[in-house]
Amino acid sequence: GDSVTQMEGPVTLSEEAFLTINCTYTATGYPSLFWYVQYPGEGLQLLLKATKADDKGSNKGFEATYRKETTSFHLEKGSVQVSDSAVYFCALRPGGGNKLTFGTGTQLKVEL
Amino acid sequence: SQTIHQWPATLVQPVGSPLSLECTVEGTSNPNLYWYRQAAGRGLQLLFYSVGIGQISSEVPQNLSASRPQDRQFILSSKKLLLSDSGFYLCAWSVPGHEHTQETQYFGPGTRLLVL
Repeated sequence: GDSVTQMEGPVTLSEEAFLTINCTYTATGYPSLFWYVQYPGEGLQLLLKATKADDKGSNKGFEATYRKETTSFHLEKGSVQVSDSAVYFCALRPGGGNKLTFGTGTQLKVEL
Repeated sequence: SQTIHQWPATLVQPVGSPLSLECTVEGTSNPNLYWYRQAAGRGLQLLFYSVGIGQISSEVPQNLSASRPQDRQFILSSKKLLLSDSGFYLCAWSVPGHEHTQETQYFGPGTRLLVL
């Protein structure tokens, strides 16, 4: 079946550091890929998405590129802020389906 | 614009008691609706989804049930809670019928349930 694998957390960075959170997936066909963010005590918010190979999703300085050859959708940000501290979830939706499969989440802590 | 509400925000219940969590969506018609659970330190698990009134699909066998009595209302229930039912319950919706927008699920603020 479909699955999403994320790097283990927590990831602790200093403010203005470069961020990469790895995400790889297993799916048949051509899934859509998503990153969701969950701030402390809140629900999930869609951060960005990509619907086909080589698409780049971007939002709030974050970006991720849909790489079909490596089945990856790594999240990156050039300069993180304390306010980016949250849990980040990678997810996929199979082509033609309506159910999301989530990774286990990666906690990011940004310190001054 | 569309909004999604969940209540209560937090709930503490004894083992063996019943449960009813409610989710409502405003600003859209005939949405697909979803219930997820996030156990402490773990990812999200899809519990139920619904494509219309009275139409419920269960993803995992468990102590919970779901109902959709109205188009934009989705209820998660249990007759007798277990300790293992503790977690963060998230409701989500998506737009059916348009392939591009159907791909995105929008989440509510969640209900934190603690079973003691």
